[in-house]
Amino acid sequence: TQLLEQSPQFLSIQEGENLTVYCNSSSVFSSLQWYRQEPGEGPVLLVTVVTGGEVKKLKRLTFQFGDARKDSSLHITAAQPGDTGLYLCAGDGSSNTGKLIFGQGTTLQVKP
Amino acid sequence: EPEVTQTPSHQVTQMGQEVILRCVPISNHLYFYWYRQILGQKVEFLVSFYNNEISEKSEIFDDQFSVERPDGSNFTLKIRSTKLEDSAMYFCASRGQGAHTEAFFGQGTRLTVV
Repeated sequence: TQLLEQSPQFLSIQEGENLTVYCNSSSVFSSLQWYRQEPGEGPVLLVTVVTGGEVKKLKRLTFQFGDARKDSSLHITAAQPGDTGLYLCAGDGSSNTGKLIFGQGTTLQVKP
Repeated sequence: EPEVTQTPSHQVTQMGQEVILRCVPISNHLYFYWYRQILGQKVEFLVSFYNNEISEKSEIFDDQFSVERPDGSNFTLKIRSTKLEDSAMYFCASRGQGAHTEAFFGQGTRLTVV
């Protein structure tokens, strides 16, 4: 069974601080996606990483895929209150049906 | 911008009743999914649907659940006899053709079984 462990589950920081969220597995994934989910809404895709060692940047967000494609990280530089939300990592399951396997999520609170 | 739409946004039903959750995926997408998220827990895969048939289902998706694409646009999830533990957010998602394509999620239906 493929599992994704996300850490930390909760993070409360001050505006301007940096943070990193981790997504780890013992399984290899063909790709990993990071989503952001607002209360009462569905997940919205931030980025997809496909190649081992790949780094993608989205403004102040940096996403990295591990060399072995078993882990990923999301780093936010100079966090702002607008970054507050639930961040989810999800991996493409091994069955080729396109299903996603989600981590537990990280709830981020950025205080002004 | 194309989007996945789900109705209703909130459904309250009595235990043992049947419910149908409706989704309109993005029109040129070929792969359709249902996921659920129990309050405070992670998003869990229920079922995938391709070429008018189920391509994969999880162990959660037992005989009480069924999916249908009745008219080429709607994609429905039916729960025949709801239980209290079926209370959750249910998300529909769709993807286009090709590897690593983005999954677009609907806003979800909050199902409350009382």
